[in-house]
Formats: sequence, C-alpha cells, structure tokens
Amino acid sequence: GAGVSQSPSNKVTEKGKDVELRCDPISGHTALYWYRQSLGQGLEFLIYFQGNSAPDKSGLPSDRFSAERTGGSVSTLTIQRTQQEDSAVYLCASSPGTDYGYTFGSGTRLTVV
Amino acid sequence: AQTVTQSQPEMSVQEAETVTLSCTYDTSESDYYLFWYKQPPSRQMILVIRQEAYKQQNATENRFSVNFQKAAKSFSLKISDSQLGDAAMYFCAYRSLFTGGGNKLTFGTGTQLKVEL
Repeated sequence: GAGVSQSPSNKVTEKGKDVELRCDPISGHTALYWYRQSLGQGLEFLIYFQGNSAPDKSGLPSDRFSAERTGGSVSTLTIQRTQQEDSAVYLCASSPGTDYGYTFGSGTRLTVV
Repeated sequence: AQTVTQSQPEMSVQEAETVTLSCTYDTSESDYYLFWYKQPPSRQMILVIRQEAYKQQNATENRFSVNFQKAAKSFSLKISDSQLGDAAMYFCAYRSLFTGGGNKLTFGTGTQLKVEL
C-alpha cells in the first residue's frame, strides 16, 4: 500500500484478555519496527524485524508480549493477559532497509480497563 | 546506551514568528544520525529533518533548520515563519550507525508546540 497501515485504530479491552495488533508495512519494505508510546512519554522501542526474523527484540517488556512477521510483510504484536500499564499507543514503522528512514503508521491506541 | 533529553515539555510561538526547540543527547559513539519528528493529533510520526553526525553543515528543510553542536551533544530545531499547521508534538531521536543497532531510534520525551494567532 501507499503507507503503513495499522489496525485496529483503537482497542478497548478488559484486563486479563489477550489482544492482537496488526501492521501492514509498505510493500517491499524489509525492515519493520514496533514502538510503544505511553502517555506523556517518548517512543519506546519494542522489536525490530528484518524479513521474517527478529534480530532485536530487546525492548519487549515482558514475556506477555510477542510479535511475529509472516511473508516478509504483515506483522502482529500480541499482548497476553493485558494489564492496565499496557495502555498506550502502539506504533509500527517500516523502511526499505536499515540504512533508510522510517515511515510510521498512525498507531493503535490500546486501553485496558 | 544512548539517551535523548528534551527539557521543554511545552513551547508557544506566535504565528509568523520563529521558535527553537532544544534537544541534547548522550552517546559515546562518534558517528550517528539525529532526527526531528513531528506528531500531529493524527498520531502519525512525520520526519521533519535529519542530520548525519559526520556532516558539519547544519541540515535545512524549507522553514526548518537545525543547530547541530557535536561537541556539546546538542541538536536544536528552529522553525521559522511558524504556521498554524506546525502545532504538534515534536520528538528528537538518535540512531546508532553500528550494525548491532539495527536502525532502532532512541526518542526524547517530546515538546508540545502551540502556535497562536
């Protein structure tokens, strides 16, 4: 597509439920990134994909967080047993390679109640 | 690990005036990239300007320019002739050039810019 697409745009979930957040990168972009933006905070790196592999997942905050990427394209970030502190905007970005700038999506606002 | 500090949570500027947003960073690396991103209410991060640390010349993009002081580890953004559409959250970001860095960005906490008539 023309840009990075994220769905859903907004998600409200009950504490303890699992959620899946989806990112459709720009076609042909091999690198894909997930960031989390909590209220009043900057963006916090979560995980980086090159193709389908994740060379750097150092930012995932706990084992409740996981992500995968299939076909070198769509990525899904899964949060299990959501907690209130997981409430944030989750932003995805893609780039043609690691030497290029990013294009960001508009994010998913996750609210855990 | 690198850190990025934006000490101004909020700034205001009159339309058509000039405003400067501050950013400092800490790194032991000699080569890296610095960025300013704009985040309007739509939430999408938009690249404003980029600076390569090995370049002494300050980057400019139309009304946007930077003052890059490598020794002082300072990277401020100047917006000239401010427009209502410039109102947004502005983030400063650092990117390591080491292969292990994976192109991930380290962000500051942002400066909310308000543009007044």
